[in-house]
Parts: sequence; C-alpha cells; structure tokens
Amino acid sequence: EVQLVESGGGLVQPGGSLRLSCAASGFTVSSNYMSWVRQAPGKGLEWVSVIYTGGSTYSADSVKGRFTISRDNSKNTLYLQMNSLRAEDTAVYYCARGSSPVGLDYWGQGTLVTVSS
Amino acid sequence: DIVMTQTPLSSPVTLGQPASISCRSSQSLVHSDGNTYLSWLQQRPGQPLRLLIYMISNRFSGVPDRFSGSGAGTDFTLKISRVEAEDVGVYYCMQATQWWTFGQGTKVEIK
Repeated sequence: EVQLVESGGGLVQPGGSLRLSCAASGFTVSSNYMSWVRQAPGKGLEWVSVIYTGGSTYSADSVKGRFTISRDNSKNTLYLQMNSLRAEDTAVYYCARGSSPVGLDYWGQGTLVTVSS
Repeated sequence: DIVMTQTPLSSPVTLGQPASISCRSSQSLVHSDGNTYLSWLQQRPGQPLRLLIYMISNRFSGVPDRFSGSGAGTDFTLKISRVEAEDVGVYYCMQATQWWTFGQGTKVEIK
C-alpha cells in the first residue's frame, strides 16, 4: 500500500528556515517523480516543487531561490528545505507521488507551516 | 500560468441525485505529446487528497464508477451519477500540461 507521511511543520519566525520530510512506503521515491503542493488557510492548492527520477528539480517562481526539494533514496524520503520564510508561506504542505501518465496519484495528509512573529 | 476556473464553488445536492462540476482552463490543455493532462481530486474532511480521474476521463484505481469525467481542450466536467454521503467534500480540477495548477475547489454538501 502506498503511503506518504509528512513531518517537520511548525511555527517559525519570518526569515527563518524549516525542513519538511515526507516518508514514503509501498514504493520507491527514486522510481517516481515527487512533488510538494501547498494550501494556504482558506485558499486553493498551489504547486511548489518537483523532483524527477533523474534528479532534475524545478520550483514555482514564488519559492524559487528559497526552497529546495531533494530526496534520500536510502531512507526513501522526500524533503523540502525552506529558507527565508515569509508570512505568505504559511500553509499546509502536501507531498505527492507522480506517475506517468497518470499524474499526482497519491498524497500525504500534510504538515502545517506557520510563519509568524 | 494556466488558470483553472471551477463552477459552481458550492453544490448542495440531495442523496441519490446527480451532481456536476465544470472546470475551464485559460488555454488548451492538449500537450505536445497529444495527451490532455486534466485530473480531478477529492478532499474529504480529515482525509488526504485522493485522485479520482486522470487524463480527462480515466478513473483511478478503486474509484467507484458513479464518478465520470469528460471534456476536451479547455472545458471539462466531473459528474457524480448518484451522490452518496461519503462523497461530501471539496473537489478540485488540476492540470499537469504545463507544470501544475488547480481550480479553486467546489464544495459538495448534502441538502
């Protein structure tokens, strides 16, 4: 059974850093592309970053240069390193598995990041 | 960015009756490979997001056949043939033709 469990969220001050983790089971993260998607309180879904099987990474303009997506194949875990956090980064962050051509097919429960002083 | 617009934003329905959600994209979702990467997701209270439909009309594994998708180009529809209590939640359309963008969400609730 495919499962994704996010962790690492919490309260952080503006300008601070946080690293989110997404532990995967039931499949191998390096065999699928993986994404982070966020949802600000009361708002819609926003794609954040993707890492492809070959290791290429891409991020939305809103987080480019501040957020870095990565994975640890030995731990079967996806990460999102978030630096220079802003109030507008406050959101629930979801990790999702991608499969071609189906798309983002399995999602985690999410972890809440709150950026506030 | 491709903008996805859903209507309605709220859909009160009677149990056993059909429901329909529309999704319009700001540009064609036909990819250069000829496929159209339009999906529908369900977000039930307290549950992870769940993929229902991919590539316009393909039901994902385990999705009941009361859910169906249709459309082409820029206009797409999700239909629930007979709404059940477990269908209450928020439904999103999502395009993956050019990165990923999502509709605002449609809340389905029981009258």
